[in-house]
Amino acid sequence: QKEVEQDPGPLSVPEGAIVSLNCTYSNSAFQYFMWYRQYSRKGPELLMYTYSSGNKEDGRFTAQVDKSSKYISLFIRDSQPSDSATYLCAMSQPSSGAGSYQLTFGKGTKLSVIP
Amino acid sequence: EAEVAQSPRYKITEKSQAVAFWCDPISGHATLYWYRQILGQGPELLVQFQDESVVDDSQLPKDRFSAERLKGVDSTLKIQPAELGDSAMYLCASSPRRSEGLHFGNGTRLTVT
Repeated sequence: QKEVEQDPGPLSVPEGAIVSLNCTYSNSAFQYFMWYRQYSRKGPELLMYTYSSGNKEDGRFTAQVDKSSKYISLFIRDSQPSDSATYLCAMSQPSSGAGSYQLTFGKGTKLSVIP
Repeated sequence: EAEVAQSPRYKITEKSQAVAFWCDPISGHATLYWYRQILGQGPELLVQFQDESVVDDSQLPKDRFSAERLKGVDSTLKIQPAELGDSAMYLCASSPRRSEGLHFGNGTRLTVT
């Protein structure tokens, strides 16, 4: 079993729909939980990160963490064609270098928002 | 906004040849990472530097891959000899000290023929 599991999709939704993306994890040492967005032929860009269980909202995006179930989600409201990208969950734990962290990524879910 | 610079953007090489990638992190970022991303997969860590020191290279195939960050600023990742299975996107990322958020460059797309 991989440390981070993410359904690769693809996921196709109509414009304006609510999108739900999910990841599960097995490593209890993970402390921070992130979502990255990656457009084709580009590097990942950080969308949101959370530390504790609960919800964090930023505009149309809501990140949800449930540490007891080892489950994280990203919700996108009023989805737009510009949201079409691959969404990667990532989880971090401290690494041996002072003040540095190590990230483990999911496979990514490819999302298409159809106009 | 400051960016992580990587070059080249694309590289085609024949198997058994040597290839090198360069990364210039955001100024002041102490931690530098090299990740490999195979099409349809998430990035996988190859090597992590804290300043000029290697923090983690446990997933780096050391028989053919090497990485250095001599002055704790820019970094080079080398593959010699390249194999067909090395075809992937090589991503560099950096982060400030005590920050869990990584900033990625746009990667080098390597094709080995």
